[in-house]
This record gives sequence, structure tokens and C-alpha cells, in this order.
Amino acid sequence: ETGVTQSPTHLIKTRGQQVTLRCSSQSGHNTVSWYQQALGQGPQFIFQYYREEENGRGNFPPRFSGLQFPNYSSELNVNALELDDSALYLCASSAGLDTGELFFGEGSRLTVL
Amino acid sequence: GQQLNQSPQSMFIQEGEDVSMNCTSSSIFNTWLWYKQDPGEGPVLLIALYKAGELTSNGRLTAQFGITRKDSFLNISASIPSDVGIYFCAGQRTSVSRLTFGEGTQLTVNP
Repeated sequence: ETGVTQSPTHLIKTRGQQVTLRCSSQSGHNTVSWYQQALGQGPQFIFQYYREEENGRGNFPPRFSGLQFPNYSSELNVNALELDDSALYLCASSAGLDTGELFFGEGSRLTVL
Repeated sequence: GQQLNQSPQSMFIQEGEDVSMNCTSSSIFNTWLWYKQDPGEGPVLLIALYKAGELTSNGRLTAQFGITRKDSFLNISASIPSDVGIYFCAGQRTSVSRLTFGEGTQLTVNP
């Protein structure tokens, strides 16, 4: 059984650029959630995907968007990067919509200069 | 922003000591969860609590879901060096998929 994998692990971008982060969910899990974790803070919910549709969104602007694919893998896209977007982006998969029992990947560390 | 108040922010203890940390909220949650995050890793689920008043153990860890549904605590008994890390509480409301996390408790265990 493979766990949640994320790529890339680290990346550096400049303000105004766009970034795509990728996530493969744990086998058997059909739901993917994305969280942003700023340094020294707890994770904050961005959005969740189930059956390729967005199902719930946190307090993030529209320049944060996502996709889920038929194999349940997912992408997080951020346009027009701002300095405050620098954070660890965590992907979590789960075996259903309503469970809080999430399995997290190691995260993608984004630095915006 | 964060709605969960987690305390203490950090703890420095000796190996073998017991540890207690708690989480409070101004609003009700239907599920409380405790996660641990090691450096360079994502959070890992330790304990999930589904019923007000529930007391659940997982090895040396014990957690309780407060009667008011607005708080939870986590106890670690006989701490060991591998307990070092950041512990997060998280709350979930029924029919809402998102978790709301606390700001974490950084635990340091001195051998």
C-alpha cells in the first residue's frame, strides 16, 4: 500500500509567477484535501476534491485552484504568486468525504521571492 | 483564521515525565482529532474522538473529548525522546469536510 506522495518537495518562485503542485493519494482513497501551513502555524484548509469536483473551500482567493483526476490524484495551482504564499502545502487523502482521519503527504515547501 | 486555542505553545520536559496539552474552541465540534508532525513530515493521526465525554487511549497517549464539545486534551505518559515533535489538535463539524487546526504544541524531551 503506497502512501500519499507529493511533488516537488521544494521549489522557489518569484512574485507573480504561477505554480503547480502534485499529489498522489493513498491507494483506496477517493478524496483529496489541500492545506497551507505557514511557518509556526497549524495547517489551514484550502479545498477538498471528491469525484473530480471541488467539495468545500476555505478562505482562499480564486487564484488558488485545483483539479482531481480519475485516478484520484490531484493538483493545486496558484496563480499570481505573492510573498505571503510562501508556506508548506500539504496534501491529504481520505477514504471518504466526511472523515477527519486524513493521511498527509510530506508536503511541498514553496518559497516566493 | 484559526479558531482553536491550543496550549501550551511549547513544553520542555525530562524523559519519563508525563505531558498534558489541551485545546479549546469558541464553537462546537463533532469530532476532535490529535495529530503529530515531525520535522520535514506531514501530520500523522494519533487519536480520533467522536463522542462528547469519550476517553480514548493509544498506547501511552490518552485523549478526551470535552462534554461541552468545545475542548479536548491529550496526555502522554512516561515520555520518551521519540515523542519530540509538534502536536496539533483539530476539530471537525458534521457534514463539513474541513479540519480546523490549532497552532500546535512543540514538545521537547530531554534524555
